[in-house]
Amino acid sequence: DAKTTQPTSMDCAEGRAANLPCNHSTISGNEYVYWYRQIHSQGPQYIIHGLKNNETNEMASLIITEDRKSSTLILPHATLRDTAVYYCIAQGGAGSYQLTFGKGTKLSVIP
Amino acid sequence: EAQVTQNPRYLITVTGKKLTVTCSQNMNHEYMSWYRQDPGLGLRQIYYSMNVEVTDKGDVPEGYKVSRKEKRNFPLILESPSPNQTSLYFCASTIRAGGLSTGELFFGEGSRLTVL
Repeated sequence: DAKTTQPTSMDCAEGRAANLPCNHSTISGNEYVYWYRQIHSQGPQYIIHGLKNNETNEMASLIITEDRKSSTLILPHATLRDTAVYYCIAQGGAGSYQLTFGKGTKLSVIP
Repeated sequence: EAQVTQNPRYLITVTGKKLTVTCSQNMNHEYMSWYRQDPGLGLRQIYYSMNVEVTDKGDVPEGYKVSRKEKRNFPLILESPSPNQTSLYFCASTIRAGGLSTGELFFGEGSRLTVL
């Protein structure tokens, strides 16, 4: 499983795009990049995942560099409700269910 | 509404008194899992189940038991709780489609357990 490195914390102004970086330089070819978030002590919530291509859904966009050594989660218009801990996970191949959560990035959206 | 339901949400108990935390999902998911979350240690997997009657240890299984007699339920059993099992517990599930994961784990709201 690839180790991921994320900043401990970040701030973002409300209404602006939040760009959360993740380094996974040891990622192997079949490992996906997953993003989850946890608001307060609620259960983690799935956001998005990808392998090589950039992905977008109703919550966020995932940009993966061509060499796959890093990625960025983009919340296009951050709101106060996006304040949470964001976890980047680089793990598993197709068919893998075992996700290891690290310490994540604490994102604070500022009014 | 699709959900993973845990009970109890909060529990204070004493050392050695057996307890069970229930987990139920209504999404017909084959895979279910238990995590515990502690300050500074993140989420750690306790046990998981790939299907009915199929369970396996995660990273921190000591002191816990599980069972999977039905697809929808995956209870976590603490036979003799100790203070070091004071934690926030999460149950999660996901679908399997042809043996592949969608990568989307659905989590319950958590059960905060205190063992005195």
